[in-house]
Amino acid sequence: GDSVTQMEGPVTLSEEAFLTINCTYTATGYPSLFWYVQYPGEGLQLLLKATKADDKGSNKGFEATYRKETTSFHLEKGSVQVSDSAVYFCALRESNAGNMLTFGGGTRLMVKP
Amino acid sequence: EAGVTQSPTHLIKTRGQQATLRCSPISGHTSVYWYQQALGLGLQFLLWYDEGEERNRGNFPPRFSGRQFPNYSSELNVNALELEDSALYLCASSNPPSDYGYTFGSGTRLTVV
Repeated sequence: GDSVTQMEGPVTLSEEAFLTINCTYTATGYPSLFWYVQYPGEGLQLLLKATKADDKGSNKGFEATYRKETTSFHLEKGSVQVSDSAVYFCALRESNAGNMLTFGGGTRLMVKP
Repeated sequence: EAGVTQSPTHLIKTRGQQATLRCSPISGHTSVYWYQQALGLGLQFLLWYDEGEERNRGNFPPRFSGRQFPNYSSELNVNALELEDSALYLCASSNPPSDYGYTFGSGTRLTVV
């Protein structure tokens, strides 16, 4: 079945550091890929998405590129802020699975001033 | 446009009791998804409803059940509560097929004592 694997956290960075959160997936078809963010005490919010190979999703300074050859969708940001501290979830939607999303285990990011 | 709303925000129950959690999707969304997020863990898929029918079910015992009403709102019922049912229960909605993923509510924090 489909699966999503994320790097385990927590990831602790200083403000203005470069961020990478790794995400790899296993799918039988051609999935759409998503990153969600969960701030403390809140539900998940869609951060960015990519629907086909080589697409780059971007939002709020975050970027991720759909790499079919490496089945990856790593999240990056050039300069993190304290306000980026949250849990980040990678997810995929299989093209033949209706609208079901499969989530990774989440990665907690802590940014220190 | 109102987002996905969940009620109550917090719920405290005694072991063995029943809990009912409610979710109102975004207007026009026909699918509702329920997830359990235990402390420190990722999202565990519970149930998916679309057009009033249960479409998929996660690996949870039968005491977790739900339904979707004609207005697409949904209820999650948990019978015979156990201490390990304490978690954040997240509801999400979408309008399949969609490459916009889900829109999540802020969740119901269920505490079983």
